[in-house]
Amino acid sequence: KAGVTQTPRYLIKTRGQQVTLSCSPISGHRSVSWYQQTPGQGLQFLFEYFSETQRNKGNFPGRFSGRQFSNSRSEMNVSTLELGDSALYLCASSLAGALGDTQYFGPGTRLTVL
Amino acid sequence: AQKITQTQPGMFVQEKEAVTLDCTYDTSDPSYGLFWYKQPSSGEMIFLIYQGSYDQQNATEGRYSLNFQKARKSANLVISASQLGDSAMYFCAMREVLNQFYFGTGTSLTVIP
Repeated sequence: KAGVTQTPRYLIKTRGQQVTLSCSPISGHRSVSWYQQTPGQGLQFLFEYFSETQRNKGNFPGRFSGRQFSNSRSEMNVSTLELGDSALYLCASSLAGALGDTQYFGPGTRLTVL
Repeated sequence: AQKITQTQPGMFVQEKEAVTLDCTYDTSDPSYGLFWYKQPSSGEMIFLIYQGSYDQQNATEGRYSLNFQKARKSANLVISASQLGDSAMYFCAMREVLNQFYFGTGTSLTVIP
């Protein structure tokens, strides 16, 4: 079974631009979560989608948004990029996001904002 | 209050020795799940082991075991017979019902030959 895939793997943008990251979950998984990882802040939860609905949201500004499609694929968008948005963005999928469902992570998208 | 606390930023262990990575958690929910992940320098998060709050036995997966002490709210990861490939960041995480995953700040483990 294929794992979680994320595209692109690397991205370089300049301040003020916007970016869209994509995540394809493991087949059959309906819950997708996004995380931002930086050396200083660790792993920060962005949001979780289940069946095309946002189920949980972290403490990030409105510039960060996401969506999930009917095939469970998810996209994350960051508008008006800031230098501090440079990070590794990780996507994780699980069956239904139930208590015992393990989250499986993709390889991440490394975003650099210049 | 922090949901997950990992107090050891860095740990060293001799190859073939056992090592314990500490994790404490904070929740008032009786139902929750505890997870450990490994993140090598390549960046990908690898699932290691899971413990449910109602599980009576400590979880084990190969060389990994989870020392679950519910009353103390602790879920320490024990790695037996350390290998050089175990050098990585290790994250403890918790999930409550219908809630997000909460991750700790991680412990960097270095295995010394």
